[in-house]
Amino acid sequence: DVKVTQSSRYLVKRTGEKVFLECVQDMDHENMFWYRQDPGLGLRLIYFSYDVKMKEKGDIPEGYSVSREKKERFSLILESASTNQTSMYLCASSETPSGGVNEQFFGPGTRLTVL
Amino acid sequence: AQKITQTQPGMFVQEKEAVTLDCTYDTSDQSYGLFWYKQPSSGEMIFLIYQGSYDEQNATEGRYSLNFQKARKSANLVISASQLGDSAMYFCAMREGGGGSNYKLTFGKGTLLTVNP
Repeated sequence: DVKVTQSSRYLVKRTGEKVFLECVQDMDHENMFWYRQDPGLGLRLIYFSYDVKMKEKGDIPEGYSVSREKKERFSLILESASTNQTSMYLCASSETPSGGVNEQFFGPGTRLTVL
Repeated sequence: AQKITQTQPGMFVQEKEAVTLDCTYDTSDQSYGLFWYKQPSSGEMIFLIYQGSYDEQNATEGRYSLNFQKARKSANLVISASQLGDSAMYFCAMREGGGGSNYKLTFGKGTLLTVNP
């Protein structure tokens, strides 16, 4: 089974802190994604990566950065956390779409609270 | 304009009955894929079913089927014989075209389904 793990289920940080959210997948997937989920807004893509050291902005990249030094690991960084970044963060991975389903597999999520 | 629209914030259904969750989409691409995910209260996202834009048959997976009406740009999820464990948030999502955007999913805002005993 594909497994996507995230470093924390719950995290509480203070305004202005630098926050690292880690995601690891064990299926050798090329693509990895970071979403945030807020009530009434669904999932919104922050960043994705289609290869090591490659990244592209999603729909809401402001205030975030990412790092992918190894194929299995994709980190989301909040350089200076703010209260409006309090949210559920979901990591996902997938194979490169090639005409088939190639669904995204999700981690359990990290609920981040910024005080 | 929203690319994925789920007009039902919440739905109720009686156990053992069928329920349809609505999803409409907006794209100018000829090649695209539509997905449904389930998110129980525990938070994990579970892939349910997929429909490719060129698939002529409606997708089915066990009790889940996708009512794909291409001309209307709708991809409704039908759950037959609802069970209490079907109570969850359901998300419709779309993957468009080719190139770099081919990797991304755009999600709707979700429908919260409650199955009553």
